[in-house]
Amino acid sequence: EAGVAQSPRYKIIEKRQSVAFWCNPISGHATLYWYQQILGQGPKLLIQFQNNGVVDDSQLPKDRFSAERLKGVDSTLKIQPAKLEDSAVYLCASSLRAWSVSNTGELFFGEGSRLTVL
Amino acid sequence: QKEVEQDPGPLSVPEGAIVSLNCTYSNSAFQYFMWYRQYSRKGPELLMYTYSSGNKEDGRFTAQVDKSSKYISLFIRDSQPSDSATYLCAMKRAAGNKLTFGGGTRVLVKP
Repeated sequence: EAGVAQSPRYKIIEKRQSVAFWCNPISGHATLYWYQQILGQGPKLLIQFQNNGVVDDSQLPKDRFSAERLKGVDSTLKIQPAKLEDSAVYLCASSLRAWSVSNTGELFFGEGSRLTVL
Repeated sequence: QKEVEQDPGPLSVPEGAIVSLNCTYSNSAFQYFMWYRQYSRKGPELLMYTYSSGNKEDGRFTAQVDKSSKYISLFIRDSQPSDSATYLCAMKRAAGNKLTFGGGTRVLVKP
């Protein structure tokens, strides 16, 4: 079974530029998450999708971050304009069951997209 | 104050030793507790999942939860160099799939 695919793996941009990250979850997984992991910290949830609807985006900085999952499969996370503090690894994860049903906590993570903002 | 606190380490142990990791939390709404392992430049992967206070064992790994003290632990017996990684605790409320992670503890097992 193929895992969660993310691209690009690495991206270096200057502040005020824009960047986009792509994620393809495990086939059949209805729930998709974007997490931000700053160096030395644990992942922080940015946004959670159930199929193509947003379940939780309370910690997404909406003035500069946007995300979509138009067909309920793959997803794109965009940052525009980027700030120095956006330097982090952006992790995409997926889980099989609907958010209100699953209690196992098993999220399957991709390898992440590492962003450096200069 | 962070909802979940975890000592960042690094924790360095000789091969074969017992590794002891822990997290404290402040929100009594957390009902489900997990430990994830993250190798360098990789995504986290689930190691252990527990619900309610008590112990759970899986091979060399034992997870403990003490809800009264808001304290969880992970023990790794007979540690191997391949156990060298960052260990993240994570917690979840009864409803939903949102996980709140600790900052992670970096573990180094020396041959």
